[in-house]
Amino acid sequence: EAQVTQNPRYLITVTGKKLTVTCSQNMNHEYMSWYRQDPGLGLRQIYYSMNVEVTDKGDVPEGYKVSRKEKRNFPLILESPSPNQTSLYFCASSLVGPQETQYFGPGTRLLVL
Amino acid sequence: GDSVTQMEGPVTLSEEAFLTINCTYTATGYPSLFWYVQYPGEGLQLLLKATKADDKGSNKGFEATYRKETTSFHLEKGSVQVSDSAVYFCALDTNAGKSTFGDGTTLTVKP
Repeated sequence: EAQVTQNPRYLITVTGKKLTVTCSQNMNHEYMSWYRQDPGLGLRQIYYSMNVEVTDKGDVPEGYKVSRKEKRNFPLILESPSPNQTSLYFCASSLVGPQETQYFGPGTRLLVL
Repeated sequence: GDSVTQMEGPVTLSEEAFLTINCTYTATGYPSLFWYVQYPGEGLQLLLKATKADDKGSNKGFEATYRKETTSFHLEKGSVQVSDSAVYFCALDTNAGKSTFGDGTTLTVKP
């Protein structure tokens, strides 16, 4: 089944404790992206990747890191999480870029205390 | 930069009512336009899209027409059902890789 998977789905952590949210797709898509969803703010793009080893900042990259060492994986790293990073995070992928249909993962709900 | 402005919600309708959710955009170049839908507890999924001016996207009874002259992509459905209750996002994308979403409009359809 073609899908985007994210792990974990739910996470509670404390300020400053490094964490990684994994994202994997099995559709051989070149483009992958991370978003955060906050009430009243819609979806905002954090980082995106047009291909392996190519990443770029979205609208809200501060406090986040990403890497794209393989086509299928695009982990999101929070080196020192803070409470303002409490949010619902979505990973998405598409064949060649956002001008194509994006396929979204189920989301990761993060609470930073 | 690029931006998407969606009709403010929430929107509450009775079953079989007509739906319009307004979406306007500003963008450089010639973006592709999308409507995504998010059902409770789920990720977003594509509802419909249009890639150039005057294109009409349609799916599941929903329609939207890419209007370059008014920079709009309004979502319409002639007769909504309870199962259409969800959050609807208008979005635009360019070849540059960045993706811009509106704030989302929550639709509740009552029997």
